[in-house]
Amino acid sequence: GIQVEQSPPDLILQEGANSTLRCNFSDSVNNLQWFHQNPWGQLINLFYIPSGTKQNGRLSATTVATERYSLLYISSSQTTDSGVYFCAGTSGGSYIPTFGRGTSLIVHP
Amino acid sequence: GAVVSQHPSWVICKSGTSVKIECRSLDFQATTMFWYRQFPKQSLMLMATSNEGSKATYEQGVEKDKFLINHASLTLSTLTVTSAHPEDSSFYICSATQGQFNYGYTFGSGTRLTVV
Repeated sequence: GIQVEQSPPDLILQEGANSTLRCNFSDSVNNLQWFHQNPWGQLINLFYIPSGTKQNGRLSATTVATERYSLLYISSSQTTDSGVYFCAGTSGGSYIPTFGRGTSLIVHP
Repeated sequence: GAVVSQHPSWVICKSGTSVKIECRSLDFQATTMFWYRQFPKQSLMLMATSNEGSKATYEQGVEKDKFLINHASLTLSTLTVTSAHPEDSSFYICSATQGQFNYGYTFGSGTRLTVV
């Protein structure tokens, strides 16, 4: 299966700062999704983004499928953005997604 | 949007007893449901994949007799941890998709299992 690398593994921000999270894939992906796991464990779907760019409020994501990476942008971060961000993708004929190890984000007030 | 309901949110049980966790897709038909286990500060580990009406496909190293998965309908899948032991304590999460990930995954809220 494909390998998924997320960077950075940990990130600490001051409220109001911007950040970029990255997800690299070892092979081309045909489906890709970004999730936020809040401190209570709930996984929230942020973006389903196999290619292109999407925006939702302060969050946006870009996937360049041909170069096997995706970026998640967080602007004007808030303390509620704290948690772990995962990306997951499928490749080839598999419909089972492979998850990265996540980026743990802490936003201080 | 798609909603997946998972119950219970947390459960404490005694060693040797069994615990059932339910995962329901509320507003869509889930052709495929997945069960994950997550250890503290780690990523999600896929335990099994289930399709409605057929036997679950377990990942290597997951004991099918300990973790019984049933996907009896297009909206309900259950995970039963049988004869639970303290090492089974973990965070279990289900997810569902309508059509082989073409529409993305929706996750349940997770179940924190503590075996004492």
